[in-house]
Amino acid sequence: GDSVTQMEGPVTLSEEAFLTINCTYTATGYPSLFWYVQYPGEGLQLLLKATKADDKGSNKGFEATYRKETTSFHLEKGSVQVSDSAVYFCALSDPRGSGTYKYIFGTGTRLKVLA
Amino acid sequence: DVKVTQSSRYLVKRTGEKVFLECVQDMDHENMFWYRQDPGLGLRLIYFSYDVKMKEKGDIPEGYSVSREKKERFSLILESASTNQTSMYLCASTVTGDANTIYFGEGSWLTVV
Repeated sequence: GDSVTQMEGPVTLSEEAFLTINCTYTATGYPSLFWYVQYPGEGLQLLLKATKADDKGSNKGFEATYRKETTSFHLEKGSVQVSDSAVYFCALSDPRGSGTYKYIFGTGTRLKVLA
Repeated sequence: DVKVTQSSRYLVKRTGEKVFLECVQDMDHENMFWYRQDPGLGLRLIYFSYDVKMKEKGDIPEGYSVSREKKERFSLILESASTNQTSMYLCASTVTGDANTIYFGEGSWLTVV
C-alpha cells in the first residue's frame, strides 16, 4: 500500500543554518505530494505542494521538488529562523478509484531552531 | 478563510464513559476526516466521510464510531472510553479532487483516566 517515510527527529539547528528534512514515498499511482507544518498547540496547515514529477513547491522560503525517479520530496530551507520551530509532516494524496482520494501522512519531524 | 472548528480543546473523561467530539467546517467541503495523533506514530486515520450520511473506516476504527447528519458537521464517538484512547484528535476537511489542501482543526486533547 501507499506509504510515506520521513526522517526521524528531532532536528536541532542554529538560526540561519540550512535545513533538509528527507521524505520518500511509495504509491501505486501518481500521487500529489505535500508538506504540512504544525506549530505548537495548533492543527496542521499546508506549507507547500507539488502535483507532478519535477514540480517544485515553495512557500515562506521552504522548497521541495517532486522527484519521481527517487520517489522523494525533501524539504529544504536556506536559512532557518527560531519561528520555524515546529513539526513538519510529509504527505501524499492518491486516488482511491471511487472518485475520492486517500491521504497518507508521515510520522512527522520535529524541528527546533536555537537563537 | 476556511475554518474547521473542534468543539473542545481539552477533555478529561473516565474509563467507560461515552465521549463525543464535534467538528464543524464552514466551507461546504464534501470530505471530512478524523485522525488521532500520537508521538512517534504521526497521524492515523480513524474514519472519513465523503458525503452526508456516508462514512468509511480508516486504519484504526476499532472503539470509535462517527456520525455525519449534516454536511458541515462530523462527530467522532468513543462508545466506551479506554485509557489507550488518550490522544490528540484532529478533524480535517477538503473538497473532492486531486491535490486539494486539507484543512485541519486545532485538535482536541483527550485524557481518559
